[in-house]
Amino acid sequence: EADIYQTPRYLVIGTGKKITLECSQTMGHDKMYWYQQDPGMELHLIHYSYGVNSTEKGDLSSESTVSRIRTEHFPLTLESARPSHTSQYLCASSPGEAQYFGPGTRLLVL
Amino acid sequence: QQQVKQSPQSLIVQKGGISIINCAYENTAFDYFPWYQQFPGKGPALLIAIRPDVSEKKEGRFTISFNKSAKQFSLHIMDSQPGDSATYFCAAKQGAQKLVFGQGTRLTINP
Repeated sequence: EADIYQTPRYLVIGTGKKITLECSQTMGHDKMYWYQQDPGMELHLIHYSYGVNSTEKGDLSSESTVSRIRTEHFPLTLESARPSHTSQYLCASSPGEAQYFGPGTRLLVL
Repeated sequence: QQQVKQSPQSLIVQKGGISIINCAYENTAFDYFPWYQQFPGKGPALLIAIRPDVSEKKEGRFTISFNKSAKQFSLHIMDSQPGDSATYFCAAKQGAQKLVFGQGTRLTINP
């Protein structure tokens, strides 16, 4: 089982603010993912990375961006938050097949 | 063809009963089929997974049944308990590609 951490766990922020959601894992997994999920609903893949300096957009269009400068770190940035960004953001990592999820960041944009 | 269709959307089962959640897929190249369990406010956790070369896998009260010809797989929870109340997601994967998730099933076990 992977140790994967997300901060902050909860964030309330005003419209137009820039935010960065942090995700880190200690297992050395090459593959990392960001999902957007409304509570109890479908998981939507918004970004993924298969290694350092590799990032791809997922199936759901998102205004966020990601970077992968270090294997263990995969932050997600919203340059200008809007109420439509209100959701839960889940980070996951994988050594190959199984994906291991972090606890999520619940974002509320006012 | 990359979709995984999950049913039912919600399910209520009495304590001690059997909970059954079904998933269907089209892509016959899928070779890994996991199930995830998610409690409110938490990330999904890997519960059990199966490959298409076996028809059934059991771990404790949780069993995956796999029907390759029908392109279906299901999760059975025996002796369901209130603590099993959660949202369950099936998923499928082909080789090194991304996981494709089902739509989720909200399971409620009544005491």
